[in-house]
Amino acid sequence: LAKTTQPISMDSYEGQEVNITCSHNNIATNDYITWYQQFPSQGPRFIIQGYKTKVTNEVASLFIPADRKSSTLSLPRVSLSDTAVYYCLVGPFSGGYNKLIFGAGTRLAVHP
Amino acid sequence: DTEVTQTPKHLVMGMTNKKSLKCEQHMGHRAMYWYKQKAKKPPELMFVYSYEKLSINESVPSRFSPECPNSSLLNLHLHALQPEDSALYLCASSQAGENTEAFFGQGTRLTVV
Repeated sequence: LAKTTQPISMDSYEGQEVNITCSHNNIATNDYITWYQQFPSQGPRFIIQGYKTKVTNEVASLFIPADRKSSTLSLPRVSLSDTAVYYCLVGPFSGGYNKLIFGAGTRLAVHP
Repeated sequence: DTEVTQTPKHLVMGMTNKKSLKCEQHMGHRAMYWYKQKAKKPPELMFVYSYEKLSINESVPSRFSPECPNSSLLNLHLHALQPEDSALYLCASSQAGENTEAFFGQGTRLTVV
């Protein structure tokens, strides 16, 4: 499975756009990139997933360059409630399940 | 219903006790997972069941014994645990196909005394 590298922590302020970059240099051809959010004492929550180019949903955008060796999660206009740990996961669909391996994650703190 | 329900929410057990954690989902997912998470660390994968068969055991000690009695239920049987096994135990499920969105439960906070 591809190893991922993210910043350990980030700080932002309410109303700003936050971009969290994940490096995955040895991503395989059939790997997808998925981001999860986790609040303290809760299970992770799916945010967004993509394979290439750009994906957008109601909460975030995911930018993936052509070489797919990195990806950027973009959170528009963050609020205090976006303070959480964000995990980037890289892996394939296979065998009826997905081996979801979490990296260290990025601890985002949003300040008033 | 997009919920994964874990019971109990909190559990305190002695090192000689036997207890079980339970996980239930009614989304028709055929892949189910157990994770262990220590404070300020990422979740660590323990077991994966696919179509009720154990597909992955990440070299977990035998004092943890998973069971998948049917497509909606996943149990984790605990026996002779150590204090260092105290953690948040998370269950997740996902469709057995192209969709990799995994749904996680709230977890069971386990304390071994």
